[in-house]
Order: sequence, then C-alpha cells, then structure tokens
Amino acid sequence: NAGVTQTPKFRVLKTGQSMTLLCAQDMNHEYMYWYRQDPGMGLRLIHYSVGEGTTAKGEVPDGYNVSRLKKQNFLLGLESAAPSQTSVYFCASTQGYQPQHFGDGTRLSIL
Amino acid sequence: DQQVKQNSPSLSVQEGRISILNCDYTNSMFDYFLWYKKYPAEGPTFLISISSIKDKNEDGRFTVFLNKSAKHLSLHIVPSQPGDSAVYFCAASRNSGNTPLVFGKGTRLSVIA
Repeated sequence: NAGVTQTPKFRVLKTGQSMTLLCAQDMNHEYMYWYRQDPGMGLRLIHYSVGEGTTAKGEVPDGYNVSRLKKQNFLLGLESAAPSQTSVYFCASTQGYQPQHFGDGTRLSIL
Repeated sequence: DQQVKQNSPSLSVQEGRISILNCDYTNSMFDYFLWYKKYPAEGPTFLISISSIKDKNEDGRFTVFLNKSAKHLSLHIVPSQPGDSAVYFCAASRNSGNTPLVFGKGTRLSVIA
C-alpha cells in the first residue's frame, strides 16, 4: 500500500521554466491538498480539491495552478518558476473526517 | 495574521522525562485539532487529535489537552524517547475537520539520551 506518492522527489529549475508536480494516492480519498514548507514557516496551503474535477485556492495560490482530472491524481503546475517558489512541496489526501495522509515531499530549487 | 501559533521553535528534554509542546490559536471557529510529527526528508505523520467537545485525549505515551477558554492546546509525551526527536506541528480545522488544516510553524523536539 503506497499511500501518497509524490513525483519527482527533487528538481532544480531555472527561473522562467515550467514544470508539473504529480501527487498520486491509492486510498480512494476524495480530498487532496498541496502545501509548501519554507524554513520557519510551517506548512502553508497552496490549493486543494474536494473531489474529481474540483479545485480551490488556499492561503498562497499565486504562481501555481492545479488540476484534478482523475480522483487519484492531483497535479501542481508552475507556469513560470521564480526563485521565491524554492521550497519543499507536500501533497496530502483524506476522506471524510480522517486525518490527512502526507507524501514524502518534493524538494524544488529554482535558480 | 497567524491563526495557529507555536511560540517555541525548539525544545530539549532528557530521555525518560516529560516533553510538553504548546500551541495557541486565535480563530474561535476551530473545533478540531491535530498534532503531526515530522522527521527530516519525510512527510508529516499524524500523531493524535482532539475535538473541541473534549478537553483531553490520550494515546499511549501521547496526551493532548485542550483549553478552549484560553484557546490553548498542549501535547505531552511521557516518557520521552530519543526516537521522539522530530519537528511537531500543531494544526487546526473548522467543521469537525472537514475543512483545510491551518498549521503552526512547528517545534523541534530533541530528546537527549
């Protein structure tokens, strides 16, 4: 049982490049979330989804887009990467009132 | 404005003693609170939760206390073990947990053998 899997684990980008982070869960969860963690800042919610085909903005959505075309996948896109988006990105999923399950993160550096 | 605050960035405790991690919140609409534990290079893992209808929840060595009037919760770990060394995040939610979590900045616990 893999739980929540994030791809890739590490990536280095140049300013202005684009990329997509993939989150996949095998628990049939309805809710999925993308967070970023910066030093001394805790986890901040970027976007989330309450079901297939739905997305909503979180606390820090600017510069990111998301899509939830399939229930098990939640994609986070950076259209034009900026150094301020250097961070560790975590995906999480949940069902009903259960605690969120997290992936192991994607460490993204933007030069 | 930070809605969930963990004012101690770090805490050191001797093995076998009690660790007490604190968390304050400002949003009176929060009714569900969780603690997550995070090791380096891993994602946060759920530790324990408490609903606002309770003032205490226990799970083995871990106990969470909620003081609604003070908008304060604390996590007690007894006895502390070296494997408990990690970053602990407090999180809060509305609607019994059916809304996105708001996290504190975390407290790094070091348990010294």
